[in-house]
Amino acid sequence: GAGVSQSPRYKVAKRGQDVALRCDPISGHVSLFWYQQALGQGPEFLTYFQNEAQLDKSGLPSDRFFAERPEGSVSTLKIQRTQQEDSAVYLCASSLREGNTEAFFGQGTRLTVV
Amino acid sequence: GESVGLHLPTLSVQEGDNSIINCAYSNSASDYFIWYKQESGKGPQFIIDIRSNMDKRQGQRVTVLLNKTVKHLSLQIAATQPGDSAVYFCAENIDYGGSQGNLIFGKGTKLSVKP
Repeated sequence: GAGVSQSPRYKVAKRGQDVALRCDPISGHVSLFWYQQALGQGPEFLTYFQNEAQLDKSGLPSDRFFAERPEGSVSTLKIQRTQQEDSAVYLCASSLREGNTEAFFGQGTRLTVV
Repeated sequence: GESVGLHLPTLSVQEGDNSIINCAYSNSASDYFIWYKQESGKGPQFIIDIRSNMDKRQGQRVTVLLNKTVKHLSLQIAATQPGDSAVYFCAENIDYGGSQGNLIFGKGTKLSVKP
């Protein structure tokens, strides 16, 4: 497709379970971002990739969160031992150039931890 | 779909009127600003951006104004339509001189357009 694609669209996990969220950015986009959005809030930055390099992971809330983009295209956000406070929408965005210029978002993955 | 409009400031306008959505940012080092529109159950959609060396930028039916003196950003929508109903977020990029990945989003304003 032409846009940023995320899967799954919805994910229900039992507390303690590991989850993996996938992002397919727009083809050729250099930059890829992950954000977390709690209900009624704006998105909050998690991590940023420029091609395969993870240049900023300052927003990852704990060492249970891990992101990778091994070939500079598809990215996976992994959350280990999920907790209820991890429940949120996880948004992926990509942009053609370095940085935030005209970043385009996917529809997000809604994670519910029960 | 989910609602992202809970407990958000709400602006209600009549169809055809102009809308002005305001945003205050906190960091004078911010050098790039974006307005996003988010409909229920969808990801944020890019509307318009502006760099800190400008004070006004126009798009199709939208205008962004930047006042660096008071750290204020506004989005003006002309001839508001029902399809404009959504939550609008401003976002700022703070130039740390390194990574440019960290966009800081505001809390959002819910725009409701009455037909």
